[in-house]
Amino acid sequence: NAGVTQTPKFQVLKTGQSMTLQCAQDMNHNSMYWYRQDPGMGLRLIYYSASEGTTDKGEVPNGYNVSRLNKREFSLRLESAAPSQTSVYFCASSELAVSYEQYFGPGTRLTVT
Amino acid sequence: DAKTTQPTSMDCAEGRAANLPCNHSTISGNEYVYWYRQIHSQGPQYIIHGLKNNETNEMASLIITEDRKSSTLILPHATLRDTAVYYCIVRVGYNTNAGKSTFGDGTTLTVKP
Repeated sequence: NAGVTQTPKFQVLKTGQSMTLQCAQDMNHNSMYWYRQDPGMGLRLIYYSASEGTTDKGEVPNGYNVSRLNKREFSLRLESAAPSQTSVYFCASSELAVSYEQYFGPGTRLTVT
Repeated sequence: DAKTTQPTSMDCAEGRAANLPCNHSTISGNEYVYWYRQIHSQGPQYIIHGLKNNETNEMASLIITEDRKSSTLILPHATLRDTAVYYCIVRVGYNTNAGKSTFGDGTTLTVKP
């Protein structure tokens, strides 16, 4: 039981490049989330998916798109990366959207130059 | 969602109890208090949550005041591995908008030998 896994662990992009961050969970959870954490700051919600087939914006959705591929997988796409998107990205899942008991992945450290 | 206030940092001696306070004076009757922690560079980890009764699990105890305007997370015998940022979050526990969340800046707890 791996919990929540994220790939890649590290990534460096040039401004304007695109990339997709992958997240998968093996806990049969219905809800999944994407957060970003800037240096020395708390987490901010980018997007979430309450259940398979649904997605919704969080606090900071601009510049990102998401896809809930199936119940296990939730991807985050940066279409045209900007230096302001340099951050650590965490994926999380929970049994239900109503539950705040979330389980987090190890994070992806993204640098945009 | 209610706003929370936590001290920026705290120290605790190894083996002693660590008491982390959180003020949430605007909490509503249907909002829960959740605690998470984030050890350096890792994803956040769920610790405990409660509505109005005190709660205890294998990791910690949560004491909520009778008026629910503040709470304290207690780590009974702090170890060096408990050094982390601790986040207090107040959210409606059973609501489809529970996914819209922000963790804030938290309290940096340093456990010293």
